[in-house]
This record gives sequence, structure tokens and C-alpha cells, in this order.
Amino acid sequence: GENVEQHPSTLSVQEGDSAVIKCTYSDSASNYFPWYKQELGKRPQLIIDIRSNVGEKKDQRIAVTLNKTAKHFSLHITETQPEDSAVYFCAASGSGTGNYQLIWGAGTKLIIKP
Amino acid sequence: DAGVIQSPRHEVTEMGQEVTLRCKPISGHNSLFWYRQTMMRGLELLIYFNNNVPIDDSGMPEDRFSAKMPNASFSTLKIQPSEPRDSAVYFCASSLAGADEQYFGPGTRLTVT
Repeated sequence: GENVEQHPSTLSVQEGDSAVIKCTYSDSASNYFPWYKQELGKRPQLIIDIRSNVGEKKDQRIAVTLNKTAKHFSLHITETQPEDSAVYFCAASGSGTGNYQLIWGAGTKLIIKP
Repeated sequence: DAGVIQSPRHEVTEMGQEVTLRCKPISGHNSLFWYRQTMMRGLELLIYFNNNVPIDDSGMPEDRFSAKMPNASFSTLKIQPSEPRDSAVYFCASSLAGADEQYFGPGTRLTVT
């Protein structure tokens, strides 16, 4: 089955700098790759997603890139701000007929230093 | 829409007691997911339903855990008997169809003493 690895587990960056979080997946049949942000004490919420027919997607300061050949995808946050501090999770769709679940990475704690 | 609704928001119970967590998915969503989140184990999928039918319950820790979805607007996760190691935040999420955006509820923080 699908396996998703996420790195790093903790990332500390200076406010205003960029942050990059990387994930790899194992099943080439996966075709949907979302990123969720979870603030302390809150629920995970989708911030951006990408499907396998697209290589890159951008939404203001956030972008996701997908390399299907290498089976990895990355989250890029530019001009980081204090409110970007949170735990970020990547996920990949499960494979197989009728499989509706997401396989989750372990999460990255992003710390924005003032 | 009010989003995914979970109750209770907090539950404190003694070891051995039965605990029932409740979830109302977003109207029109076909898939429902139960997750458990702890510091040690992260976000774990326990079970998910599609069109009210359990599809994969391989994440359910043991026989003490059971989940039902009697109709499209309601699901329960039951723990009987509860143990201190069940203490966690339990999230319910729903999605429109298949591998798509999942909308999470606010979670139920369970503490078993």
C-alpha cells in the first residue's frame, strides 16, 4: 500500500524567509496530494492541493510542486509570517479501486522566529 | 453550512467506562472518516465509510473500538471499555467523494483516567 514520508519533522525559519517541506510517496497510482495546516488546538484545514496532471500550483505565498517521476511533492511558503507557525501535514490519495482514504505524512512543525 | 459537527467537545471518563463520540458530516458528503491524534502517534485513520458502508477499519486499534453510520447524517465511534491509553483527540472528517478535500470537525478531546 501507499506510504508517505515527510521531512523535516521540525523547521525553524526567520520571519520573512522561505520555508520548504518535502514529502515522498511510494505508490505511483496516487493522484491527489493535499497539504493541511493545523494550528495549536485547532483542526487540520486544507491550504492547497495538487492533482497528478499538474506539476505546480500557487496560491499567493503558498505553492506546491509535484514530481511524479521521483514521486515527491513539496510545499513552499514565501515571505513567512508569524501566523504561518503551525504543524503542516502532507497526504497522498490511496490507490486501488474504491479506495477513498488519504495516507498522511507525520507532520512538520514550522516555527517562525521574529 | 455549519461544517462537520462533533460532540462532545471534551470528555473525561474513568477507565472501564463506555465512551460514545458523535459526528454529523457536511450534508451531501459521501465519505466519512474517524481519526485519532496523539503526540506520539500523530494522525491515525481509524475507519472510514463511503455511502454509510464501512470500507476500511484496519486502523481500529482493537475490539474495544466500534463505529457505526446508520444514515448519511450521523456516525458514532464507541470505546468499551475505555483505557487511559485511549486518551487523545478524535477527529471526524467528511468529503464530497473519494480522495478529495476532507473537512475536519473540531474534534473531541478524550481523557481517560
